[in-house]
Amino acid sequence: DQQVKQNSPSLSVQEGRISILNCDYTNSMFDYFLWYKKYPAEGPTFLISISSIKDKNEDGRFTVFLNKSAKHLSLHIVPSQPGDSAVYFCAASRHQGAQKLVFGQGTRLTINP
Amino acid sequence: DAGVIQSPRHEVTEMGQEVTLRCKPISGHNSLFWYRQTMMRGLELLIYFNNNVPIDDSGMPEDRFSAKMPNASFSTLKIQPSEPRDSAVYFCASSLGGDTQYFGPGTRLTVL
Repeated sequence: DQQVKQNSPSLSVQEGRISILNCDYTNSMFDYFLWYKKYPAEGPTFLISISSIKDKNEDGRFTVFLNKSAKHLSLHIVPSQPGDSAVYFCAASRHQGAQKLVFGQGTRLTINP
Repeated sequence: DAGVIQSPRHEVTEMGQEVTLRCKPISGHNSLFWYRQTMMRGLELLIYFNNNVPIDDSGMPEDRFSAKMPNASFSTLKIQPSEPRDSAVYFCASSLGGDTQYFGPGTRLTVL
């Protein structure tokens, strides 16, 4: 029973364009959401997060949008750069600071020059 | 600064053998997590510790899996006996309380 789903295993985007990665969740108790980025042969690293009291959080080229009614969040990367090529994991928890994170399957993003 | 250290980085073993994965968390961190990554299920939390005490092991798949944290700077995940379906990448992560989790580079386990 996958509570956090990333339905696109892979995504290919042209350099300079916008990358949009999507994530859906089923558990309405989730209140805090995170994105992690993973390069090959390395562990995931924290990228950006959002609390359910917001619908948008921005950090430089990265913006996360949250639609609570649809139980959907997305990560936008603008403009996309070759160094953004990685696997992106969406994660959810019951509140900020909660230690138990539920991750999705990941989406492999490839930025083409 | 040293991050989370995991060993070995790669492990190939035969079905039925015992496998032990090791983790050294970041110094000063008081929480430690073991995850498993597979293509189908992504990253799954297996177990986590606070101050060396197991808090939630509901993600441990079966009795064949066990984890220990004898002190603040060392943890092990043991699989005995191992099976081909245990093949995956196993990550250890640490944090200071509920703060950001920092992941190690992972151990790629292959069970033949």
